[in-house]
Amino acid sequence: DAKTTQPNSMESNEEEPVHLPCNHSTISGTDYIHWYRQLPSQGPEYVIHGLTSNVNNRMASLAIAEDRKSSTLILHRATLRDAAVYYCILRRRYGGATNKLIFGTGTLLAVQP
Amino acid sequence: DVKVTQSSRYLVKRTGEKVFLECVQDMDHENMFWYRQDPGLGLRLIYFSYDVKMKEKGDIPEGYSVSREKKERFSLILESASTNQTSMYLCASRGRPAGELFFGEGSRLTVL
Repeated sequence: DAKTTQPNSMESNEEEPVHLPCNHSTISGTDYIHWYRQLPSQGPEYVIHGLTSNVNNRMASLAIAEDRKSSTLILHRATLRDAAVYYCILRRRYGGATNKLIFGTGTLLAVQP
Repeated sequence: DVKVTQSSRYLVKRTGEKVFLECVQDMDHENMFWYRQDPGLGLRLIYFSYDVKMKEKGDIPEGYSVSREKKERFSLILESASTNQTSMYLCASRGRPAGELFFGEGSRLTVL
């Protein structure tokens, strides 16, 4: 399974944009890039996913590099409720491995008021 | 909204006891998963099931077994609990192979 690399922790100020990076240099052509986050004392929740093009939804934006070896999750205006661990995960599109989502250790985002 | 419910938020068991962790989802999802989460190690996949009575090992299945007798229910079994199985256990379900995972709130197990 292809691995992802994220910084252990980041800090942001409330109401400022946050850019969370993820490196996945061994990504294959059929791997989707998924992001989940885990709020304190809760299970992870889905944030966004993409394959090649940038993606936007109500929670965040996902910017994918042209060579797909890295991606960035963008929170446009951080709030205190965005403080969480953010996981970048690769999901294989075909075959039995599509059933497995391999989580790493993620990035702990702290948001300061 | 999809709901994934884990039977116990907190459990304390003794070494050698048999432990059952139950997970129920209410959205008729075919895929269900058990992960454990430990500090510094992130989430690690123990077992998953893609249909009733079907199961596959994840990355760390040793010391665990699972049961999926009904579509909505996926149980994780520790036949003889050990202290190194003290952890947070997270259950998840997914409706389609390409769909998002929905997680329960977790069960924190302490084995003394």
